[in-house]
Amino acid sequence: EPEVTQTPSHQVTQMGQEVILRCVPISNHLYFYWYRQILGQKVEFLVSFYNNEISEKSEIFDDQFSVERPDGSNFTLKIRSTKLEDSAMYFCASPQGESSDTQYFGPGTRLTVL
Amino acid sequence: SQQGEEDPQALSIQEGENATMNCSYKTSINNLQWYRQNSGRGLVHLILIRSNEREKHSGRLRVTLDTSKKSSSLLITASRAADTASYFCATDAGDKIIFGKGTRLHILP
Repeated sequence: EPEVTQTPSHQVTQMGQEVILRCVPISNHLYFYWYRQILGQKVEFLVSFYNNEISEKSEIFDDQFSVERPDGSNFTLKIRSTKLEDSAMYFCASPQGESSDTQYFGPGTRLTVL
Repeated sequence: SQQGEEDPQALSIQEGENATMNCSYKTSINNLQWYRQNSGRGLVHLILIRSNEREKHSGRLRVTLDTSKKSSSLLITASRAADTASYFCATDAGDKIIFGKGTRLHILP
């Protein structure tokens, strides 16, 4: 079964630094998502991406965040100036068909901001 | 908010028993999904039930949906140690799905 991959698995950074989290979604999927899960808490929607642009974003996804699909395969989440509260697991996901269908999740990147 | 809310928050049962988790939501939906998450890992999709379906089975899983009550249940029969995980319901909301807070299920040997 095709799978979503994410790199790195763990990223440690200093507060104020920029990080880029990378995802390789399933190749024929059209919608792409980033979610965040602070330790011990629920999974929170960050942003959805379709046809090379953001289709929806949450209030968490402020100006310090950006997404790109630079080369047709990778899907990246950039956090420009990390804060302590950005420490979380970040999951990439994509549905097989329509945006509300079954989502296939990557294994996540654990971001630790010191 | 369209968010699903699971109950109980935590559940411990003996291996071999059945585990039932419930989810309630607030607005109309196209579908409702259940996911499992092992500690520190990604989410694994278990089952999707559409708004025009009332019950769905997959192996030891049984999901029901009552749109009049805006609720769903996930039943795991004959539980195993490997079922220990957090279980989340998720409802569709436009171009995204919204997760509930989850039920932490612990299967006791």
